[in-house]
Amino acid sequence: QQPVQSPQAVILREGEDAVINCSSSKALYSVHWYRQKHGEAPVFLMILLKGGEQKGHEKISASFNEKKQQSSLYLTASQLSYSGTYFCGTDMGGGSEKLVFGKGTKLTVNP
Amino acid sequence: NAGVTQTPKFQVLKTGQSMTLQCAQDMNHEYMSWYRQDPGMGLRLIHYSVGAGITDQGEVPNGYNVSRSTTEDFPLRLLSAAPSQTSVYFCASSPRTGSYSPLHFGNGTRLTVT
Repeated sequence: QQPVQSPQAVILREGEDAVINCSSSKALYSVHWYRQKHGEAPVFLMILLKGGEQKGHEKISASFNEKKQQSSLYLTASQLSYSGTYFCGTDMGGGSEKLVFGKGTKLTVNP
Repeated sequence: NAGVTQTPKFQVLKTGQSMTLQCAQDMNHEYMSWYRQDPGMGLRLIHYSVGAGITDQGEVPNGYNVSRSTTEDFPLRLLSAAPSQTSVYFCASSPRTGSYSPLHFGNGTRLTVT
């Protein structure tokens, strides 16, 4: 079952912050985050594992709340290069090898 | 350092035709998978493989076959193409099985079925 991402789209001005949420109806063991620019392949950003840890990648960080079965991606002081569609991927746990993606959040950063 | 290579980049088929989308990786990754991407639907898992000789179904497997005879190659076969299979197809691999390794995506194959 696909995780649910919100919002579906967000428009920012350069320097503003954004939060993208990813939630699941099933218990999560790991959450992946990817960014895809128009006409290109998705590119890996980070993985969060069960345990509530937070990871960071420059000004992009994420958290994982296993009790709430959700993850959030934080983009701080957004840059024009952050524009693209962000996908979260979740595994089904219990040793499942399936990584299932949400429908994506389109982020547009304007000058 | 090619990574994940998909061929062809573009393909147009007529309804009922069959074809194979090729995917090869040179990173000695155990795990390989196929996704299709349609507007507003995100990436949907078609089939995946955890090693040579082992494949399993994903979310949307109907109309597609896969095999994994070597670690490097994971072709996707469309048996009888339908307009509903018009999509962008991505192959991805990761170093080990399980969901704890990042996926490396190929550049995609854009398929149109008329």
